Amino acid sequence: DSGVTQTPKHLITATGQRVTLRCSPRSGDLSVYWYQQSLDQGLQFLIQYYNGEERAKGNILERFSAQQFPDLHSELNLSSLELGDSALYFCASSGGLAGSSTDTQYFGPGTRLTVL
Amino acid sequence: AQSVTQPDIHITVSEGASLELRCNYSYGATPYLFWYVQSPGQGLQLLLKYFSGDTLVQGIKGFEAEFKRSQSSFNLRKPSVHWSDAAEYFCAVGRTGANNLFFGTGTRLTVIP
Repeated sequence: DSGVTQTPKHLITATGQRVTLRCSPRSGDLSVYWYQQSLDQGLQFLIQYYNGEERAKGNILERFSAQQFPDLHSELNLSSLELGDSALYFCASSGGLAGSSTDTQYFGPGTRLTVL
Repeated sequence: AQSVTQPDIHITVSEGASLELRCNYSYGATPYLFWYVQSPGQGLQLLLKYFSGDTLVQGIKGFEAEFKRSQSSFNLRKPSVHWSDAAEYFCAVGRTGANNLFFGTGTRLTVIP
């Protein structure tokens, strides 16, 4: 158990809908990262938040957004969903002063999103 | 830009046999290198990491990896594979000044009795 929790475990929805994925980092970790794992794209970094502020952005679509709240949990919002958004979405957290890539990232179990 | 290549999509080994999973990276400076394992239905678990210093890195579950700058490689090894090692293995690279990791496409390991 990494200490990172993600809810829900599974999500099934229809095209055009909007969903919210939730992540609680390990106790004391200030950085939260979101990754998407799909069959065709592999594991791709989406976005990172550090202590409530956006720190880095990867291949995140404009239809997707995220935020980190004062209690450090994070939410990933996916809107206008398309079939191709079906994937496993992972959250990871790390400690460290500024969330650098030397910090070990601890991954949650993921949320499997199925768009029908 | 950095990238990671895992040339083997799927590897099958017998239980008790040795294992080597290949990872090649592309990055101009010294990268930060990681190996993660993903069991079915689970998240990713860090096996080991390399930042600097000794090029042979020991990890959990009996795994080790060797950083070879001349070959741009960071291969994962285990002398004797157990059935519980069956999983997907991901090599990842980070770099100075960046916060995220770039992952390879993964190698699926099957262990046969």
